[in-house]
Amino acid sequence: GAVVSQHPSWVICKSGTSVKIECRSLDFQATTMFWYRQFPKQSLMLMATSNEGSKATYEQGVEKDKFLINHASLTLSTLTVTSAHPEDSSFYICSASPTFLAGGETQYFGPGTRLLVL
Amino acid sequence: EDKVVQSPLSLVVHEGDTVTLNCSYEVTNFRSLLWYKQEKKAPTFLFMLTSSGIEKKSGRLSSILDKKELSSILNITATQTGDSAIYLCAAGNNRKLIWGLGTSLAVNP
Repeated sequence: GAVVSQHPSWVICKSGTSVKIECRSLDFQATTMFWYRQFPKQSLMLMATSNEGSKATYEQGVEKDKFLINHASLTLSTLTVTSAHPEDSSFYICSASPTFLAGGETQYFGPGTRLLVL
Repeated sequence: EDKVVQSPLSLVVHEGDTVTLNCSYEVTNFRSLLWYKQEKKAPTFLFMLTSSGIEKKSGRLSSILDKKELSSILNITATQTGDSAIYLCAAGNNRKLIWGLGTSLAVNP
């Protein structure tokens, strides 16, 4: 149980294009979803928290116009990196929780998406 | 500022050894302490601890929380090469998880 999928696993794109990453909870309803990015040999950095049907809450320093998050249903959240640049290259991971205000609750992670912007 | 500190940063042991990984936290509105294992992909959940002094066990892994000392330990007994991974500790408040940098464990045959 508690399976989260991400698509795509890998994406290589040219600078200036937009990239959409999907995160799905396969066997539970994800009231809260989290988006992280992780640089090599560094820990997870929370980008934003989203609750189904409401606007995402972004962490300080994360540009909401650049990283668009949509949590349209209880099983799907998307992250769109708009006008991607090489410095956006990273490992993007989503996690999901069946609980609202799930900060202290168990989060189930997707397998991650590696983004390389040329 | 909320923070989570893990130690050691890196550890190399032989198969069969027992290891103890440490995690200390300073988090406002603390709710829980979570341990995850990260291999090549995303983290997989190990334990969530909310009560002090109650050990949680799963096979050769066990963990305990000390709220007085604001810390937790993760023990792995009879280590195997498959235990090689980064072990992440995170402290949760009412809004999010605050992550440590992880302990990189390498178990040599």
